[in-house]
This record gives sequence, structure tokens and C-alpha cells, in this order.
Amino acid sequence: SQQGEEDPQALSIQEGENATMNCSYKTSINNLQWYRQNSGRGLVHLILIRSNEREKHSGRLRVTLDTSKKSSSLLITASRAADTASYFCATGGSGNTPLVFGKGTRLSVIA
Amino acid sequence: NAGVTQTPKFQVLKTGQSMTLQCAQDMNHNSMYWYRQDPGMGLRLIYYSASEGTTDKGEVPNGYNVSRLNKREFSLRLESAAPSQTSVYFCATGQGITGELFFGEGSRLTVL
Repeated sequence: SQQGEEDPQALSIQEGENATMNCSYKTSINNLQWYRQNSGRGLVHLILIRSNEREKHSGRLRVTLDTSKKSSSLLITASRAADTASYFCATGGSGNTPLVFGKGTRLSVIA
Repeated sequence: NAGVTQTPKFQVLKTGQSMTLQCAQDMNHNSMYWYRQDPGMGLRLIYYSASEGTTDKGEVPNGYNVSRLNKREFSLRLESAAPSQTSVYFCATGQGITGELFFGEGSRLTVL
């Protein structure tokens, strides 16, 4: 069953605006990851945040993690048309359990 | 350096036919995975192999079998295809179970 649930399911913004996507999960985690999928392609890893971290940056990406609320957010600043894609969160549990992916957020950036 | 290679990229089967999806990686990773992706369902894990010589069921293993042929190769077999198995299948690899995954480009399977 899905562990992470992204919100919103779809998001449409203008180029230059910021895009925020949220992920909620149910059980304790070791880490949380975000992936991007361009149409018709495989998923590409964006960023990993560990359970003892609260915020992480990578270029125009900012990820936060609130383990008390079991939630994470992905912020893409100054969005570009090339950021149009689906974004998935994936949670890594403790022990030897594989990543579990959410259903994704479809982001459309309009030029 | 191809990363993760899946074959075939497209396949059309009739109900009851069998086929094998192949996945090969040149990243020297220990773990390999097979996911399926359906509209509105995200990615669901079918089977995975934490290391050469081991395989384990994921969330949706029914109707599938896997073989970890060696460290590089992990195949997914459909013995008797059903229309419900129409999907896009992704192979992924990673160094550890909960670490970053690297995905292939997908195999698009249609079962008529």
C-alpha cells in the first residue's frame, strides 16, 4: 500500500513562480526522497533527506521534513517550463524495507 | 556507461501468452527492483532483490516471477499474461535497500 501521499495531485503555475508540493506518510521512516519523472521517461532522483534532518537544499530545490507531523514539502523556486513533470515522494523505512512511492504530483509550468 | 537498461521497450501480448522483461545494470549495485506504474496509482513494487542470490515479494507479486541471474541482471516473467497486467514496468537499482534508486526508461506492456 502507498506510504506517501502527495498533495496536490496536479499543480499549474506560471514560469518564474514557486511550486510547492507536499507529501504525508504514515509510519516512521529512515529517510524521505523526492523523484522527478518527465513524460514517458524513468524516474530521476532529486534529493534525499534523512529522518534527523529538517531542511535540505539542492540548487532551486528546498525540501523540509517534519517527522512529528509525518510530512515533507518540496519547493521549486523560480520555476521553468523544463520543470514540467510528475514529482514523487518515496519513503525509506527502518530495517530492510524497500522504498514506497506515493502517487505523485503533476506539475505544469506555463511559459 | 548505460546505467539501467530495460528490454523490450514496447510489447503487445495476447491474454495467456508469456514473456520476460529483462533488466541489466552496469552500476555495480547490490539491489534491484521491479515496479509497475499505472495511471493514478503511482509506482508499486512487484519484486526486489536485495543482493545477488536473493529475491523477495513486494506489494503486487501475483502473476509474476523473477530471477536474479547475476549481480548485473534481474528479469521479470509473466507466465500467463492478463489484461490487468497492462502497465509500464520499471526496473531500478540501488546500492542499499533504502538509498537512492536509479531507474531504467520503462517497458510498456499491453495485454489484449
